[in-house]
Amino acid sequence: NAGVMQNPRHLVRRRGQEARLRCSPMKGHSHVYWYRQLPEEGLKFMVYLQKENIIDESGMPKERFSAEFPKEGPSILRIQQVVRGDSAAYFCASSPGLGRSTDTQYFGPGTRLTVL
Amino acid sequence: QQQVKQSPQSLIVQKGGISIINCAYENTAFDYFPWYQQFPGKGPALLIAIRPDVSEKKEGRFTISFNKSAKQFSLHIMDSQPGDSATYFCAASVSGGYQKVTFGTGTKLQVIP
Repeated sequence: NAGVMQNPRHLVRRRGQEARLRCSPMKGHSHVYWYRQLPEEGLKFMVYLQKENIIDESGMPKERFSAEFPKEGPSILRIQQVVRGDSAAYFCASSPGLGRSTDTQYFGPGTRLTVL
Repeated sequence: QQQVKQSPQSLIVQKGGISIINCAYENTAFDYFPWYQQFPGKGPALLIAIRPDVSEKKEGRFTISFNKSAKQFSLHIMDSQPGDSATYFCAASVSGGYQKVTFGTGTKLQVIP
């Protein structure tokens, strides 16, 4: 059973370009979370999605950032017009969606975004 | 306040020793406290978790101690091994349908032979 998959693992963008990060949850998991980790810091919640629905985007910047989890295909975190401050590791996690706060979240290996 | 404060930032322990990492929280609504282990280049992995209705939980060499009145909890790694060298994050979340996790800042543990 494959774990959470993220690609690309490393992404380099110049200021002003767009970054697209993809996350394929574990098989059978319908809930996806995105977190951002700045150097030497803990992970910060960004957004929680179920299939075709954004449930909680309270941790996501209002501008330039968007996320989706379509009916078919991976979840996408999109950052438009990237700036140097967007450089970070972005982690996706999935859970089975049993509706309990103790649902274990399984994390992917992350995408390390570097903005030049 | 949604913060979870974690200390120390880094820790060096001799093989066979006890590693202790401490966390404190402010939001009394938190009712689930997981610990994650992260190796370089990897995503965090759930290590052990506790709810505030118990004061201690042990799984193998890993023990969580929980002090609800002080709003503090800690991870103890007994008989620490070089393979335990990793970054450890404490975390907290609120029950209610899904797990929006608030992470501590992490402790980089190095176990030396």
